[in-house]
Amino acid sequence: SQELEQSPQSLIVQEGKNLTINCTSSKTLYGLYWYKQKYGEGLIFLMMLQKGGEEKSHEKITAKLDEKKQQSSLHITASQPSHAGIYLCGAVNTNAGKSTFGDGTTLTVKP
Amino acid sequence: DTGVSQNPRHKITKRGQNVTFRCDPISEHNRLYWYRQTLGQGPEFLTYFQNEAQLEKSRLLSDRFSAERPKGSFSTLEIQRTEQGDSAMYLCASSLGGRTEAFFGQGTRLTVV
Repeated sequence: SQELEQSPQSLIVQEGKNLTINCTSSKTLYGLYWYKQKYGEGLIFLMMLQKGGEEKSHEKITAKLDEKKQQSSLHITASQPSHAGIYLCGAVNTNAGKSTFGDGTTLTVKP
Repeated sequence: DTGVSQNPRHKITKRGQNVTFRCDPISEHNRLYWYRQTLGQGPEFLTYFQNEAQLEKSRLLSDRFSAERPKGSFSTLEIQRTEQGDSAMYLCASSLGGRTEAFFGQGTRLTVV
């Protein structure tokens, strides 16, 4: 079965700093989602990457998919306290559409 | 439509009792998924429906768990004879088709005491 490993597990940054979160898959990635979760709440969809080399941006968040490396990275520029939360990557199953998720990266942004 | 809705948001139950959760997906979405999430981990897939058909069930879904989506709209997840290990957040998501983004509800947090 496919496994996703996220790094780092947790991250504390000063407001205004840039940061990167990585997601590495044990198998070929056919699609990769990024979600954000506040503690005790549901997942908020950020973006979906479907093609190797694809890069998408949403406000100050940019994600890239490197199919060859079976990896995706999520980059936040000029972080703000509102960026704090748990970032989860999810891989799309080839047939069913169900997703396998990483265990998340907890981001804390210090004002 | 305001998105995926789950009820109740919180449920505390005694061990051995049965519980049922409800999920109302986004109205035009034909796929509905159930996931379970424990503290510090990502969501784990339980089962999914395409319209009213339950197409896949995870091995995590023991015979005490059952899910239905009788008219292809809302879905229910029932856990019989709850155990303390069932304590978790149960998340529902819906999507339009297979390889499109799935939108999640706020989850139902189950505590078995």
